[in-house]
This record gives sequence, C-alpha cells and structure tokens, in this order.
Amino acid sequence: QKEVEQDPGPLSVPEGAIVSLNCTYSNSAFQYFMWYRQYSRKGPELLMYTYSSGNKEDGRFTAQVDKSSKYISLFIRDSQPSDSATYLCAMSDTGANSKLTFGKGITLSVRP
Amino acid sequence: NAGVTQTPKFRILKIGQSMTLQCTQDMNHNYMYWYRQDPGMGLKLIYYSVGAGITDKGEVPNGYNVSRSTTEDFPLRLELAAPSQTSVYFCATGGDQETQYFGPGTRLLVL
Repeated sequence: QKEVEQDPGPLSVPEGAIVSLNCTYSNSAFQYFMWYRQYSRKGPELLMYTYSSGNKEDGRFTAQVDKSSKYISLFIRDSQPSDSATYLCAMSDTGANSKLTFGKGITLSVRP
Repeated sequence: NAGVTQTPKFRILKIGQSMTLQCTQDMNHNYMYWYRQDPGMGLKLIYYSVGAGITDKGEVPNGYNVSRSTTEDFPLRLELAAPSQTSVYFCATGGDQETQYFGPGTRLLVL
C-alpha cells in the first residue's frame, strides 16, 4: 500500500458546485496535513495547512482531517472556474528530519 | 521580494551532457528542497538541505548532485543526462519542515 493515495481524477464540475477532494494514508505518524494548488505550468502553492485532526476553514475552502480513519479532505464551496487546477495533498510526521510525502494530485476543471 | 527563483525556465539537453539548475531564495529560509514532477506521478524528492553546508539525499537522488554553500542558493547538478531525467524540476524552501514555498519550475527535455 502506498503511503499516500489520492483519487486520480480528473474531475469536472459545473460552476457553483461543491467539490470534495480526498486522500488516504497509511503512516499513523503523520501529524501535519497540507493541500497544495498547482496551476498549469506553475509551481505548487500552499493552500491549506492543518495540524492533527479537525477542520480548518479559509473562505470557500475547508480542510478536514480524520486521523482515526487516516483520511483527509478538501472541500471547495461555490466552485469557480479560477479553481481549475491540480490539487495535491501532502503530509509529514514530527521527526527531526521529517519530509513531505505528496499524493499524486487530482486535476479539477470547473466549467462556467 | 522575489521568493524562490529558478533558472533556466526550459532547457533541451543531449544525452550525456551536463547542466546545473539554479535555485535562489530571498526568504532567509534554512530548509531547501529539489523535487521532480513527472505526469501523474506527483512530486518526488531528489535532495534537500537543512542549512548552509548540509545536504542529504531524498527519494530519487541517483544521477544528481547538490551543494549548499550559502543560505540563498541551492543548485542542482545533472551529470551525464539521460532520457529518464526528462521532467519538471521544482525547488522549494521552508522556514520549517512542514510548509514549503515552491519556485516556478524548470522544464528539462533530454534527447
């Protein structure tokens, strides 16, 4: 089983839809959970950052972590065409030399 | 404040040639990373550095070398380029190990 699994997509939704993006993981030592957004031909940019379990909201974006199920989600409300991008989940443990482990990414297209 | 800059943006290499991908940051971050991104494969860590003078291998270091003589610069060296090194290369920095800021990337084609 891969350390981080992400739905492969691609995903296409109409403008205004609620989008749910998900990742599962196998390493119970992961404590930090991130979502990165990557526009075409650009570098990834940090979108959401969560420590341990719980929810975090930022505007139309909500990140949810369920450590008991080893499952994280990113919800996008009222999706816009400008949300069209690849979304990568990433996570790390708390060790001295911890590094990010990324999912493969899912490409989202929001149709006007 | 430019953040993380990478040069060149795009390069074509012939098999066996060598080149250096440049990465410079003005964020005064200790942590710096090199990743490669292949279609549908996510980001793979090549090398990383926790500070000037300290580097370590990541998941896919073979065929690459790095150095970190200053806080600002973290060049990635490719020796004897191979078609398998065709990829998009991203440099990233971080003030801590969890949050990373990425450069715009270098597209490399090895023919």
